Amino acid sequence: EAQVTQNPRYLITVTGKKLTVTCSQNMNHEYMSWYRQDPGLGLRQIYYSMNVEVTDKGDVPEGYKVSRKEKRNFPLILESPSPNQTSLYFCASRKKGLAGSTDTQYFGPGTRLTVL
Amino acid sequence: QKEVEQNSGPLSVPEGAIASLNCTYSDRGSQSFFWYRQYSGKSPELIMFIYSNGDKEDGRFTAQLNKASQYVSLLIRDSQPSDSATYLCAVGQRVSGSARQLTFGSGTQLTVLP
Repeated sequence: EAQVTQNPRYLITVTGKKLTVTCSQNMNHEYMSWYRQDPGLGLRQIYYSMNVEVTDKGDVPEGYKVSRKEKRNFPLILESPSPNQTSLYFCASRKKGLAGSTDTQYFGPGTRLTVL
Repeated sequence: QKEVEQNSGPLSVPEGAIASLNCTYSDRGSQSFFWYRQYSGKSPELIMFIYSNGDKEDGRFTAQLNKASQYVSLLIRDSQPSDSATYLCAVGQRVSGSARQLTFGSGTQLTVLP
């Protein structure tokens, strides 16, 4: 089954304690990205990766890091989490399409993070 | 700043009516347009895409695109209570070379009343 998996699904942590949210896809997609979703603000892109070892900042990258050492995995790292990073996080993947491409973007199930 | 704007709602329609959801975008170079449905607590799922001016129909859903007005809409005919969800508009833009990036609107919450 084609899917994007994320772990953990729920996480409560404290300010400053480093954490990693994992993301994995089994569709051999080149393009992966991380979004955060907050009420009234929609989905905002944090980082994206167009292929292995190629990553770039999205709209809200401050306080986050990513790595893409393997094609299937794209972990999101919060080195020193703060309460304003409390949010619902989604990982997504798709084929690396052209600008007019309609390739479907697949979303993971989401990770609800609370930083106290 | 590339923007995608949607009315946040909530939009309420009676069962069986037509629900009309609207979206405007600021980047004239945008080339692909998507509508996602998101149930509460779930991840977004793609329901429609369109890239040419005009209408595109798929079952009870019709997407409409007007590039000159930078406007895309989604019509849901014969609305059902199961259509109650947040609908996200997303716009595909070129970022570098041939790669594209999706920018999402904040979503419109739709409630279909039985």
